[in-house]
Amino acid sequence: AQTVTQSQPEMSVQEAETVTLSCTYDTSESDYYLFWYKQPPSRQMILVIRQEAYKQQNATENRFSVNFQKAAKSFSLKISDSQLGDAAMYFCALTHNNDMRFGAGTRLTVKP
Amino acid sequence: DAMVIQNPRYQVTQFGKPVTLSCSQTLNHNVMYWYQQKSSQAPKLLFHYYDKDFNNEADTPDNFQSRRPNTSFCFLDIRSPGLGDAAMYLCATSTGGSYNEQFFGPGTRLTVL
Repeated sequence: AQTVTQSQPEMSVQEAETVTLSCTYDTSESDYYLFWYKQPPSRQMILVIRQEAYKQQNATENRFSVNFQKAAKSFSLKISDSQLGDAAMYFCALTHNNDMRFGAGTRLTVKP
Repeated sequence: DAMVIQNPRYQVTQFGKPVTLSCSQTLNHNVMYWYQQKSSQAPKLLFHYYDKDFNNEADTPDNFQSRRPNTSFCFLDIRSPGLGDAAMYLCATSTGGSYNEQFFGPGTRLTVL
């Protein structure tokens, strides 16, 4: 069984500051992929960033980067230079064989 | 623009009255998924189609069924909705393979009276 845990139901950050969202997971599979998805209020979910489990190098996408600690089964998301448009629910997810499991989500508030 | 479309966006039904939710895609993706998302919770996978192959999650109630008549369309049928089935239902597509991202529709919010 695959499980994803996000221990921070809510986070807030000041505009232009940096915030880190936590995620841990558990799987017995060796080939899997990790994702962060963003779900803005009343809008559809979109991909923020993804990481292949076999790659040690942390993925980065502009202001978004991950800290992937495979041994610890940890996959945190860092958002630098936070913007008002970053306010959303963020879901950590793990995929193996087309089976995607989501964490419970972290609601991020960005304060101007 | 290529996209995932869900109709209707809001659906109200009565307790026990069958309801069908629709999803269509212009991405020509092989895989189509249905998720149930209750308020402030993670999306929960109900089932998915890889082309015509149907894959049901073990804990998906029998009350939930799905049809995929062609590549573009996929339907979620709830045979006898209960109050506990009120939720947002998300459709997603992908080209298949764990690496590939899923593209989500805007969801259908189902209310059961």
